[in-house]
Amino acid sequence: KNEVEQSPQNLTAQEGEFITINCSYSVGISALHWLQQHPGGGIVSLFMLSSGKKKHGRLIATINIQEKHSSLHITASHPRDSAVYICAVHYNNDMRFGAGTRLTVKP
Amino acid sequence: NAGVTQTPKFQVLKTGQSMTLQCAQDMNHNSMYWYRQDPGMGLRLIYYSASEGTTDKGEVPNGYNVSRLNKREFSLRLESAAPSQTSVYFCASRIGVRSAEAFFGQGTRLTVV
Repeated sequence: KNEVEQSPQNLTAQEGEFITINCSYSVGISALHWLQQHPGGGIVSLFMLSSGKKKHGRLIATINIQEKHSSLHITASHPRDSAVYICAVHYNNDMRFGAGTRLTVKP
Repeated sequence: NAGVTQTPKFQVLKTGQSMTLQCAQDMNHNSMYWYRQDPGMGLRLIYYSASEGTTDKGEVPNGYNVSRLNKREFSLRLESAAPSQTSVYFCASRIGVRSAEAFFGQGTRLTVV
């Protein structure tokens, strides 16, 4: 069983919709990353958090350490948000990654 | 700002051929990593280097070797490529091994035929 589980695997939304992507993990962590991977493959870091909530523009990430759960929200989604979103946890000296959520936002 | 630079971006190899993937970072990071990404799976760690002069195996090291040439550069070598090594490879770097933001290269799409 993967230590990091994401849901949903695929998500299609209409432009303007509110998006939520979930991440659950089963190990003790020191921090959690949300990453974005665009078609063409490059991976960029969106957030790193170890408690509470962070906001950057239309993106909001929350984490509940007790429940071992994090969510990534996108408000007023746009076609340019179409990408794969990856949850990764800092575990020991390594990072463990979810399989990703493929988001498609249609105009 | 270059960040993490990986070369090549694409490569096709025949079974049994060898090649080296190059990675360099200009952020003065201590830790560098090589991951592979396969469909339906999360990135998996092949090897990492916590600091210059050290390397350690990750989750899937078989068939690979690495060299931490200096603080900037960390290369991944496939001595005898196999079709099972067809994947997308990512290099990443972090300031340290604990709880530091990771920066990724653009990836290398490798096909072994």
